[in-house]
Amino acid sequence: QVQLQESGPGLVKPSQTLSLTCSVFGDSISSGIYYWSWIRQRPGKGLEWIGYIYNSGSTFYNPSLKSRVTISGDTSKNQFSLRLSSVTAADTAVYYCARENDNIYFDYWGQGNMVTVSS
Amino acid sequence: QSALTQPASVSGSPGQSITISCTGASSDIGDYNYVSWYQQHPGKAPKLIIYDVSDRPSGVSNRFSGSKSGDTASLTISGLQAEDEADYYCSSYTSGTTRLFGGGTKLTVL
Repeated sequence: QVQLQESGPGLVKPSQTLSLTCSVFGDSISSGIYYWSWIRQRPGKGLEWIGYIYNSGSTFYNPSLKSRVTISGDTSKNQFSLRLSSVTAADTAVYYCARENDNIYFDYWGQGNMVTVSS
Repeated sequence: QSALTQPASVSGSPGQSITISCTGASSDIGDYNYVSWYQQHPGKAPKLIIYDVSDRPSGVSNRFSGSKSGDTASLTISGLQAEDEADYYCSSYTSGTTRLFGGGTKLTVL
């Protein structure tokens, strides 16, 4: 059974960098089969796709966030990470990691990590 | 790119059927059969219930069905049950390889 688990701080100061890690169990991020994505949900709002890493190296980001986002992978730990720079209150959200199938659907999700941007 | 358009809320009584629409454009729903739907209960992660427009993952009730016509996809839930009360989101692949979600629809079972 595939499981994903986010970890990271719940509070980040404005202008700083948000960093989260997703640990993957039951699958390998380097298999070259799936895309490993980050998705966020602002309070009371809908879902927003942030980007993905594929085969531990190739990345693609939402154009609206591209200038501030970096997604990287650590195959030795079977983890992938999100870094979002220059955060503001608008980046306050629940951040989910998810496995994306080749047919562009998200079949496994982490439980979510709430991140609040506040001084 | 703008989010896909869903009604903010729908409601129905137990046993009834409801349909949630998801309107996009020719550059996303209209051009690709990569439409998926997710169910989200409060405080929980989204759960995949439909993929590839109309396919159901193993374990998802056949009361959930999906379809597409032109730039609009639809999710139908038949035989409404209290446990179906949740938020529902559609998603589609878009030209330019990004992924779009709808704004979400709150389903209330009366």
